Amino acid sequence: GQQLNQSPQSMFIQEGEDVSMNCTSSSIFNTWLWYKQDPGEGPVLLIALYKAGELTSNGRLTAQFGITRKDSFLNISASIPSDVGIYFCAGLNYNTDKLIFGTGTRLQVFP
Amino acid sequence: DGGITQSPKYLFRKEGQNVTLSCEQNLNHDAMYWYRQDPGQGLRLIYYSQIVNDFQKGDIAEGYSVSREKKESFPLTVTSAQKNPTAFYLCASSGGESYNEQFFGPGTRLTVL
Repeated sequence: GQQLNQSPQSMFIQEGEDVSMNCTSSSIFNTWLWYKQDPGEGPVLLIALYKAGELTSNGRLTAQFGITRKDSFLNISASIPSDVGIYFCAGLNYNTDKLIFGTGTRLQVFP
Repeated sequence: DGGITQSPKYLFRKEGQNVTLSCEQNLNHDAMYWYRQDPGQGLRLIYYSQIVNDFQKGDIAEGYSVSREKKESFPLTVTSAQKNPTAFYLCASSGGESYNEQFFGPGTRLTVL
């Protein structure tokens, strides 16, 4: 099945730094979702985006729905140790009615 | 508390045995999903159900079976035909106004010895 290209694969940053990650697809999506997964747990929904160009924040997290509808971005400001985990993007194409998941960005934050 | 529960958290089985993973939700969601997660990969869809007594194959349905007899429950059976069943299995549900937003359970880690 199709998977989204998510980058970077991993990030090692110092506490307090800002983080940026993105997802790209060859297909147009009508919905973008961002999840965070802690080790051994299920993903938790962070942000949902429904309109091209939409910019949505959730605390220190900000996500954008790309204008082309083929990409999305997630930024984390002033990272803290509990931000550690794997971040997944997911896109929904109405033609297939299924969520397509990215391969994840593993974030490590050092004090 | 409303949510999705999966049991057990860890499951060990011998090769050749069928095993059933449980998924229950009390969110009153119409749709439920099963995903498989392998190290370094994203989630891959096994089966999904948009309504009771109906379900569709996902991208990797071979070797798996499901049932949806009740709205709250969507059990997944990993059969002996699944060639590489050791993985982390995640159940999700969605419904209501935010139908596209899927909410996940805590997962079941299956190890076949």
